[in-house]
Amino acid sequence: DADVTQTPRNRITKTGKRIMLECSQTKGHDRMYWYRQDPGLGLRLIYYSFDVKDINKGEISDGYSVSRQAQAKFSLSLESAIPNQTALYFCATSDTLAGGDEQFFGPGTRLTVL
Amino acid sequence: RKEVEQDPGPFNVPEGATVAFNCTYSNSASQSFFWYRQDCRKEPKLLMSVYSSGNEDGRFTAQLNRASQYISLLIRDSKLSDSATYLCVVNYRGGSYIPTFGRGTSLIVHP
Repeated sequence: DADVTQTPRNRITKTGKRIMLECSQTKGHDRMYWYRQDPGLGLRLIYYSFDVKDINKGEISDGYSVSRQAQAKFSLSLESAIPNQTALYFCATSDTLAGGDEQFFGPGTRLTVL
Repeated sequence: RKEVEQDPGPFNVPEGATVAFNCTYSNSASQSFFWYRQDCRKEPKLLMSVYSSGNEDGRFTAQLNRASQYISLLIRDSKLSDSATYLCVVNYRGGSYIPTFGRGTSLIVHP
């Protein structure tokens, strides 16, 4: 089984809808991240969390919110989806005790907002 | 100006060729450096860390030049399976310690 899972893997939705993307990990890592990837723009950080009580905005947090329900779960919400949020979304984890450097990514969620 | 810059390519090389990618970073406080590999529509995966002394893993060699603020990745004897996007990642240990990704360099190895 994969160590970092994301659900759903694909989602098509309409403008204005609320969407939640979920991430779960079995690696026991304390740090979790949400990125979006757009063609030609690379990975951009949306939010990150270093533990359950720690939530931080990343480079492009506007229009997004997150919830760290447990050490193993980190959800990303789009309160009112818009077409320019169409992208590939990745969740990632890393381990402070191991230096926090290496990140482990989930398989991604492909989101299309019509 | 993005903090981590890469030539997007694509680099189009024949099998067996040697190819090198560079990545420049702007923050001199950067402490740790990595190369990730990303296959089309897949998640990035760590390829190798980059140390000040340089490091080698089979056909792959990574080097760091702190004075000029760049890291490099050299791939020898390219294989078709090396075709992918290579992402440069820089970590800053000055507080939040968040990794910063370059936009990636695309490599296409052809027969």
